[in-house]
Formats: sequence, structure tokens, C-alpha cells
Amino acid sequence: AQSVTQLDSQVPVFEEAPVELRCNYSSSVSVYLFWYVQYPNQGLQLLLKYLSGSTLVKGINGFEAEFNKSQTSFHLRKPSVHISDTAEYFCAVSDRDYKLSFGAGTTVTVRA
Amino acid sequence: GAVVSQHPSRVICKSGTSVKIECRSLDFQATTMFWYRQFPKQSLMLMATSNEGSKATYEQGVEKDKFLINHASLTLSTLTVTSAHPEDSSFYICSASVAGGPNTDTQYFGPGTRLTVL
Repeated sequence: AQSVTQLDSQVPVFEEAPVELRCNYSSSVSVYLFWYVQYPNQGLQLLLKYLSGSTLVKGINGFEAEFNKSQTSFHLRKPSVHISDTAEYFCAVSDRDYKLSFGAGTTVTVRA
Repeated sequence: GAVVSQHPSRVICKSGTSVKIECRSLDFQATTMFWYRQFPKQSLMLMATSNEGSKATYEQGVEKDKFLINHASLTLSTLTVTSAHPEDSSFYICSASVAGGPNTDTQYFGPGTRLTVL
């Protein structure tokens, strides 16, 4: 079984500032890792995913995440946020059956 | 591409009645659909996995007789909450994926259905 911990429930950030959302996971087997974003009144959208290979993964909208196996982390970063990045962000993990386990989510609020 | 819709987006019903929620993949054929439940300020919890033409697989603690799932075609899955009670009030979200191909690992999510049971 796997589980995900998102260490920050809310992250306020000013426009054009960098942001990092932390995610740690636990699993007894090899995992796949995902970050999803949920904009207000919309469904979850995939930001990026790590399956194998390079530990630095680049996603849509300028986001990237780094898989760190020794620290069991998959933190999400963006060097400069926009107002439109205000949303709920979910980290998720799956094993080879592709069933997702989600973290509790991090609310990012970008202010001018 | 890869759009998933849900209907209705919101539903209010009386205690004891049944409610059906539809999940459709609009521009692709979904071999697998997933149903999640999300409580306020909490994460998505997987309820069940359904494959087209076969019985759904329910997660531990999910009552299969209460949450009936049908995946009759490659583009439609339905979740029926039977004899709904106020504690069933929640946000229900479906997702769909395609077996094989480069994105077999990716789930595409619907916008969710807010169920309120009075």
C-alpha cells in the first residue's frame, strides 16, 4: 500500500515569486508519481508525472518536480507564479495497477 | 482531447431516495473508469475501479450494494447511490483511462458531482 503526505495545506505567494509544494510518499514497491491541479469549479488536470528515467520532470504551465528516491519526495516547483496559478494542487502515487492514492492537497493563493 | 464529463454537476435529494451520476469520456474510449469521493478539505478517496463489461472492484470499506457501478460501454460509467442518507453527501469524481498506448498510466478526471442529501 502507498500513501502520500503533502506537508503544506495552504501556500500564499506573491505574483512572480517562486513556489515549492512539498510531497512525500511511502510505498513498499516501485511507484509512479503525479501532480494534479484543480482550478475552481473544474476537474483535476495532470500537471506532470514521473514514471522512470530522469528524476527532474517538467510539466505544463512552467511547473517541474524532482523525484528523490532516498528522501521519498516529489516536490513541485515553479520559479515565477501568476495569478492564474491559484488552485488546489494534489500529489498522487500509484503502483503498477495505476490506482491513485492522493495527498490531502495544497491550496495555492497567488496575490498581486 | 481526453475530456471527461459528469452529469449532473449538482444534485439535491431526499433521504432514502437513489441518485444516479453519469461519467462520460467524450473523445476517447475508456477501458477503465474510477470513482472517487472527496470530503471538504480532504483528499480524493478511491471508491471503486470499473472495467467495461465487467463487475467493478470496490475498495475496502466501500459498500458495493450502496454504491452501484455500471460500466456498460467504453464511454459511459454510472454510479448509483442507493437509499441515500445525509452522510452520503459528498463530492463524487470520476476519472477514465485507456489501457495500452503511451498514456495508459494517466487518468483523466471529470469535473465532479456535488451530492447533498437532505
